[in-house]
Amino acid sequence: NAGVMQNPRHLVRRRGQEARLRCSPMKGHSHVYWYRQLPEEGLKFMVYLQKENIIDESGMPKERFSAEFPKEGPSILRIQQVVRGDSAAYFCASSRDTLYGYTFGSGTRLTVV
Amino acid sequence: KNEVEQSPQNLTAQEGEFITINCSYSVGISALHWLQQHPGGGIVSLFMLSSGKKKHGRLIATINIQEKHSSLHITASHPRDSAVYICAVPSSGNTGKLIFGQGTTLQVKP
Repeated sequence: NAGVMQNPRHLVRRRGQEARLRCSPMKGHSHVYWYRQLPEEGLKFMVYLQKENIIDESGMPKERFSAEFPKEGPSILRIQQVVRGDSAAYFCASSRDTLYGYTFGSGTRLTVV
Repeated sequence: KNEVEQSPQNLTAQEGEFITINCSYSVGISALHWLQQHPGGGIVSLFMLSSGKKKHGRLIATINIQEKHSSLHITASHPRDSAVYICAVPSSGNTGKLIFGQGTTLQVKP
């Protein structure tokens, strides 16, 4: 059991490009959460997904950000037309359901230049 | 006022010292999480607890639901314990999403 796999670990994008962050949850986990950690700030919730459904996206910026968790394959967090303020560490966590503990991935560190 | 408050924000200790990190929260919760993050590293879930006390190696976590307070203790601290320790609670609505404290940065000196 490889745990929660996030890739890439580090991603550099120029302003205006698209960033795609991938998260493969632990085997048997159908709940995926994305969190963002801005430099010198704490972790903030972005979006909660189950297979093929967005359950709660109250933490997602209204524009340029989207997330999906398809029936097959990893969950994807997509940021279009990146800006410098998007530079942050993006963490994915998965759980079996809301009553169980979470397993976090190692994060993707996005740098926008 | 933040929903999850940790203290202290920064902590420096000598190797071998007993360490306590505190977490207070204002929302009703089903469970509380303690997480560890090394500089530039990923996040490791240390404990999830809803009552009483849990122990794992040199780490002990306690929670008092009535007082809405939890503590993380590290016995016989070691430089490798240097990390940020984060307390987190589920938000209301049972969606499972977490609200995080601001973290406690611990440095253990040899």
